[in-house]
Amino acid sequence: DADVTQTPRNRITKTGKRIMLECSQTKGHDRMYWYRQDPGLGLQLIYYSFDVKDINKGEISDGYSVSRQAQAKFSLSLESAIPNQTALYFCATTPPGRLAKNIQYFGAGTRLSVL
Amino acid sequence: AQSVSQHNHHVILSEAASLELGCNYSYGGTVNLFWYVQYPGQHLQLLLKYFSGDPLVKGIKGFEAEFIKSKFSFNLRKPSVQWSDTAEYFCAVNARDTGRRALTFGSGTRLQVQP
Repeated sequence: DADVTQTPRNRITKTGKRIMLECSQTKGHDRMYWYRQDPGLGLQLIYYSFDVKDINKGEISDGYSVSRQAQAKFSLSLESAIPNQTALYFCATTPPGRLAKNIQYFGAGTRLSVL
Repeated sequence: AQSVSQHNHHVILSEAASLELGCNYSYGGTVNLFWYVQYPGQHLQLLLKYFSGDPLVKGIKGFEAEFIKSKFSFNLRKPSVQWSDTAEYFCAVNARDTGRRALTFGSGTRLQVQP
């Protein structure tokens, strides 16, 4: 399995603050994803990236931005956090190639609370 | 756009009872199908997957799922649940020929197994 590491694991912040959530992986996977999880809504895709120069919006990208600093790192930023961005955020990766078929490996998650 | 429906939001069973969790998707083309499990406090883990071939797939921990193309369904089953199966279960789909290169998740089913 991919070693997908998310930092921080928990964060409490105030409305209007800028927050960055980081994700790194050590398995050389090229595809990386950011999801948020809300109770009763499952996982919703925020952004995804297939390589350093490939960034794509997901279903709920408003209010978020991302940076793919290197193949192994994919950061999610909230430029001005608001309370309805309180959620559990997951980073995921997929190995390269058609055989990978979108099997995703998840990090442990970041629990973000915006007061 | 593709979507995934999980109609059972919360299921409570006694140990040794049989389990079936429903999953329906809305896409008429070729799909890859997944079930992920999230144990309390942990990240999502792949339970099983279907790409092609035998529509009855077996996963870890005694779980299986059956792909019924005519019903657009991929229901998860286990003949006899254990207390350790208490978790949240997510169905996910990837439409192979849409160019969409990420998974669409259902809203999840919370399974509570009582000893």
